[in-house]
Amino acid sequence: DAKTTQPNSMESNEEEPVHLPCNHSTISGTDYIHWYRQLPSQGPEYVIHGLTSNVNNRMASLAIAEDRKSSTLILHRATLRDAAVYYCILRDRPRAGGTSYGKLTFGQGTILTVHP
Amino acid sequence: EAGVTQFPSHSVIEKGQTVTLRCDPISGHDNLYWYRRVMGKEIKFLLHFVKESKQDESGMPNNRFLAERTGGTYSTLKVQPAELEDSGVYFCASSQVVSARNSPLHFGNGTRLTVT
Repeated sequence: DAKTTQPNSMESNEEEPVHLPCNHSTISGTDYIHWYRQLPSQGPEYVIHGLTSNVNNRMASLAIAEDRKSSTLILHRATLRDAAVYYCILRDRPRAGGTSYGKLTFGQGTILTVHP
Repeated sequence: EAGVTQFPSHSVIEKGQTVTLRCDPISGHDNLYWYRRVMGKEIKFLLHFVKESKQDESGMPNNRFLAERTGGTYSTLKVQPAELEDSGVYFCASSQVVSARNSPLHFGNGTRLTVT
């Protein structure tokens, strides 16, 4: 899987927007950009994913650069519950007979601290 | 719907003993994955089942680890004999459709294994 680069940590205040960046300069044309987060003492939780176009869901928005070499996860109004480690992961499409399908490769992620 | 459940939540065993971790995926999910995080390192992939078949076991560290998924429902991960370096948190995840390009993974809260 192609590698992603994220800041080690970021801080935000409650009720303010948060923009979490991710660089993936070696992304291939078939890689999807996934974001997961891990709250304390829990397993990772899916947040959002996209391929080329910006995406929105109830949890967050994903802004993807035109050249796809970077992306930004946007939390529109941070809450204390959003304090977590956020992982940006590239996930290739399944290939017939391949063994990589479904596997996620986690990096260090970004530790997000939200201040009251 | 019930999420991915793992049992036990914590296990403390002595070096040389055997431990069996259990994972119940979300009902109807064909894909089942095992991951682990050891000693503050990154979350690492262990293996992937599609129904009862092992699709990818490239992440299994050695032959002390044995994963099974009889009947394609729940899965067990046995460590025998356990070593100190096996301490960590073991996560199970499941996803829905084998052919879905990007069906997100749903993770359990993990089993924290401590080998003394």
